[in-house]
Amino acid sequence: DQQVKQNSPSLSVQEGRISILNCDYTNSMFDYFLWYKKYPAEGPTFLISISSIKDKNEDGRFTVFLNKSAKHLSLHIVPSQPGDSAVYFCAASAYNTDKLIFGTGTRLQVFP
Amino acid sequence: EPEVTQTPSHQVTQMGQEVILRCVPISNHLYFYWYRQILGQKVEFLVSFYNNEISEKSEIFDDQFSVERPDGSNFTLKIRSTKLEDSAMYFCASRRSDSPYNEQFFGPGTRLTVL
Repeated sequence: DQQVKQNSPSLSVQEGRISILNCDYTNSMFDYFLWYKKYPAEGPTFLISISSIKDKNEDGRFTVFLNKSAKHLSLHIVPSQPGDSAVYFCAASAYNTDKLIFGTGTRLQVFP
Repeated sequence: EPEVTQTPSHQVTQMGQEVILRCVPISNHLYFYWYRQILGQKVEFLVSFYNNEISEKSEIFDDQFSVERPDGSNFTLKIRSTKLEDSAMYFCASRRSDSPYNEQFFGPGTRLTVL
C-alpha cells in the first residue's frame, strides 16, 4: 500500500533552523491530512491537521502546507528544537472513512 | 491532559494462544480504533468501532480478531489463536465525534511477541 509516501527516511537540522518534512500521496479521494510525531516506545502523538479545502494551517511552531495539484504536503517546524527529534508520520484519510493511511515516517534529528 | 492508556505494555505469548489487549480511550471520545505496526513497517489500520459496532475493518482483521467494549471505559482487542506474524506493536486510538479532520489520539501501544 503505497498511497502515502515519505521519501526521506531521515533529516538532520541545526537547532533554531527550519525543518521541512515532506509527504506525497496518490489517492485523490483523500480529504484529511495529519502529522504525527513518535518517540521510541510511545504511540504517535497528533501534531497538526489540514483538510483538502485549505492549503495552509498553522499551530505555533508547526505549519502544514498542502498542494493538492501536486498531491504533496509538508510540515514546517520553525524554529527547530532538540526536543523535536523524533519520527514524523504523515497520514491521510478520505471523507467517507475513518481509516488513517500512514507514511513510512521521517526521522528528524535536531542538533545543537 | 486526557490520554489513551493501554495495558499491558508488553505481552509475550505462545503461538496458538489467545491474547486480549486492553485500552481505555479518552473519556468523551466515541470513536475507537486499533492499529498495528510490525517492526520496520508502516502503521496499519485494523478496525474502527462506533456505537458498539464495527464500522470498518481491514483485510488483516480476519476471524481471529475481535473487538469489544465490555463496559463504559474499556475497549479490547482479542486475538483468538496467535500466529508468529501477529508479533507487532498494537496501538489503540480514539477521537471525538466533532473532530473536524479525523484527528485520532493514540495510546502508547502494547508490544505483542508471539513465540
